[in-house]
Amino acid sequence: KAGVTQTPRYLIKTRGQQVTLSCSPISGHRSVSWYQQTPGQGLQFLFEYFSETQRNKGNFPGRFSGRQFSNSRSEMNVSTLELGDSALYLCASSDQGAAGANVLTFGAGSRLTVL
Amino acid sequence: DAKTTQPPSMDCAEGRAANLPCNHSTISGNEYVYWYRQIHSQGPQYIIHGLKNNETNEMASLIITEDRKSSTLILPHATLRDTAVYYCIVRVLGDSNYQLIWGAGTKLIIKP
Repeated sequence: KAGVTQTPRYLIKTRGQQVTLSCSPISGHRSVSWYQQTPGQGLQFLFEYFSETQRNKGNFPGRFSGRQFSNSRSEMNVSTLELGDSALYLCASSDQGAAGANVLTFGAGSRLTVL
Repeated sequence: DAKTTQPPSMDCAEGRAANLPCNHSTISGNEYVYWYRQIHSQGPQYIIHGLKNNETNEMASLIITEDRKSSTLILPHATLRDTAVYYCIVRVLGDSNYQLIWGAGTKLIIKP
């Protein structure tokens, strides 16, 4: 079956702009998580959605937001972009509920560059 | 804060077993240990996970010490394609659900 698809793969924005990234999970997976990866901070958890509800949230400012649609596709939005938001944004899906083993399947990521 | 400690880098000869150590001395009784790897410019790939018992699948084996304070991932016959950053991760309970806490990982280089 098809893997996790993230779009766009690459994008360049300028400071102050906003960006929306999209993630299509594996068919049947209801949980979608987002991570930010930078050379200095490594992989950091942003948030997780399950059945259209945010179930968990990391320590990021309110400029970072997300949502999940009824078909489990998810989007994340970053407003008022800063240079430090340049990163690889990774989406992962899982077919497990809260008590499950949380085996994540990751997409290839969206690489955001803020100038 | 990461709950795991790994060496920053390791080398292994092609065809030999690669043994990647991980310390998780503060792990709680119900927290799983996961291993993922990330090949350059790709998303992380799940390898294996365990709670108390040793585990084996088609990719690797996971050896967890009896006190659960450390574990070792074993790639039995390393190939050049196993060159990647390997993450040892503990699953912790977040606000309302479990989440994976990622450390810096071990960069494993397989040499011909």
